[in-house]
Amino acid sequence: DQQVKQNSPSLSVQEGRISILNCDYTNSMFDYFLWYKKYPAEGPTFLISISSIKDKNEDGRFTVFLNKSAKHLSLHIVPSQPGDSAVYFCASNFGNEKLTFGTGTRLTIIP
Amino acid sequence: SQTIHQWPATLVQPVGSPLSLECTVEGTSNPNLYWYRQAAGRGLQLLFYSVGIGQISSEVPQNLSASRPQDRQFILSSKKLLLSDSGFYLCAWSGLRGWTEAFFGQGTRLTVV
Repeated sequence: DQQVKQNSPSLSVQEGRISILNCDYTNSMFDYFLWYKKYPAEGPTFLISISSIKDKNEDGRFTVFLNKSAKHLSLHIVPSQPGDSAVYFCASNFGNEKLTFGTGTRLTIIP
Repeated sequence: SQTIHQWPATLVQPVGSPLSLECTVEGTSNPNLYWYRQAAGRGLQLLFYSVGIGQISSEVPQNLSASRPQDRQFILSSKKLLLSDSGFYLCAWSGLRGWTEAFFGQGTRLTVV
């Protein structure tokens, strides 16, 4: 039973435009949602997180929005750059020590 | 600063052979430690996690086992590898409960032939 779902396996965006990556969840018990970025043959690196008490968190070009009523969060990247091409995972700890990941979305930035 | 080491980076093993992947963390004490596997189209699947020496929680029934002989050492093992054990294995650590992020090693690409 997948608690964190990323329904879009891939996304292509023109350089300079906004990239929007989506994530849905089924478990209401969480403290944090996190977004990770992963290049091939490397470990994921942390990008940005949002706690359950907020609906928006911004860090430079990256903004995460949380809609608790819809059980949905999204990551906005603006403007998109070629170096943003990677696989993006959303994850949540659901109130315990374990970090549960989605299946990832491969973002390709087109020059 | 904290660092995490995972080795080897790549490994090709025959079916039925044993496996031992090692992960060590530096610069922190009593970390939570994790083993994840990335299989094609499956995202990052949590295999094991540990909150202390000798304490191992298994998330998925499988052909693998984990051990934590020291505070900052986490080992993933198998007595007999299966073809389905192929994948990209990642070790990670996090701080105390209530942490906001986990830090990953560079991963091990395991191919069982």
